[in-house]
This record gives sequence, C-alpha cells and structure tokens, in this order.
Amino acid sequence: NAGVTQTPKFQVLKTGQSMTLQCAQDMNHEYMSWYRQDPGMGLRLIHYSVGAGITDQGEVPNGYNVSRSTTEDFPLRLLSAAPSQTSVYFCASRPETASGNTIYFGEGSWLTVV
Amino acid sequence: AQKVTQAQTEISVVEKEDVTLDCVYETRDTTYYLFWYKQPPSGELVFLIRRNSFDEQNEISGRYSWNFQKSTSSFNFTITASQVVDSAVYFCALSGGSGYSTLTFGKGTMLLVSP
Repeated sequence: NAGVTQTPKFQVLKTGQSMTLQCAQDMNHEYMSWYRQDPGMGLRLIHYSVGAGITDQGEVPNGYNVSRSTTEDFPLRLLSAAPSQTSVYFCASRPETASGNTIYFGEGSWLTVV
Repeated sequence: AQKVTQAQTEISVVEKEDVTLDCVYETRDTTYYLFWYKQPPSGELVFLIRRNSFDEQNEISGRYSWNFQKSTSSFNFTITASQVVDSAVYFCALSGGSGYSTLTFGKGTMLLVSP
C-alpha cells in the first residue's frame, strides 16, 4: 500500500519557471490538500479538494493552481515560480467519513526557487 | 477562526529527562479534533495521536502521554525519560468537527535531546 506519493522529492527552479508537484493516493480518499512548510511558520494550507472536480483555497493560495480530475490525483501547479515559494510542500489525504479521521501525509517535496 | 499556539519554539534537554510540550488552541466549534505530529530530521510527518473534543481522558502510550484539558483549551504532550531519537519538531494541530475541515497547525516545537 503506497499511501500518499509525492513527486519530485527535490526540485530547483529558476524564477519565472513553471512546474507541477504531483500527488497521488491509492486509498480512495475523497479529501486531499496541499500544505507548505516554512521555518518558524508550521504548515499552512494552500489548496484543498473535497472530491473530484471540487477544489477550494486555503490560507496561502496565491501563486498556486490545483485541479482534481480524479479521486487519486491532486497536482499543485506553480505557474511562475518566485523565490518566496521556496519551501517544503506536503500533500495530504483523508477519508471522507469524519473530520476527525487521521490525515495521511506524503513524504514532502523540497522546492528551491533561485 | 481556528488557532493553535505552541509557545515553546525550541527545547533542549539531556537524555532521560522528562519534557512537556505545550499546545493551546482556539476554536468556536463544539466538536473538534486535536492531533500531534512528529517531524524527525528526515522530514516526514509522523502521526502520534488524535483526540476527540468529547474525550478528556489522558492518554499514555509507552513513554508518551497527553493531557487534554478543555477548561484551559490545552493539549499538552509529555515525553518521559527522553531519548536522543525523540529529537524532532513536534506539531500540534486542530481540525473542526463539522463536515470537512482542514487542519490548522501550530508553528511547532523543536526538541533537542542530548546524550
């Protein structure tokens, strides 16, 4: 059981480049989300999805796009990378049934924008 | 709005000492869930515990214990007889109880256990 899989694990981008962070889960979870982690800031929610075709913004959505065409996948797109987007990104998923269910995190993606 | 405060940015202890990590939360939900996650130097997030707002019983798991007090909106985490392997960043988090609710994290407490 792979759980939540994020790719790539490490990436260096130049300012202005675009890229997509991939996230896939094989647990048939309805809910998926993206967080970013910055030093001293904890994890902050970027975007989330409550099911295929439904997405919404979190606390820090600017500069990021998401889509949810399938239950399994929830990619995060950086359209024009900026140094302020240097961070560690975590994808997470959770079963639909109750908000108290455990949230499963991917292993993280380390992104550096130069 | 939900808020989680971990006032201790960094704690240093010597192995075998007991250490308590504080977590104070704010929410308007009557039903909510509290979590603790561990992030070791390797970077992944490791789930430690989930607590329902209606269950105020303390929990013990090996050297780990959690004290949930609704009266003070606190969910503190104690490690007994700390070990070097406990060195990590620990996050407290809160999820509301109505429908889907995202997870609000505290800023984390870095625990350094020296031999």
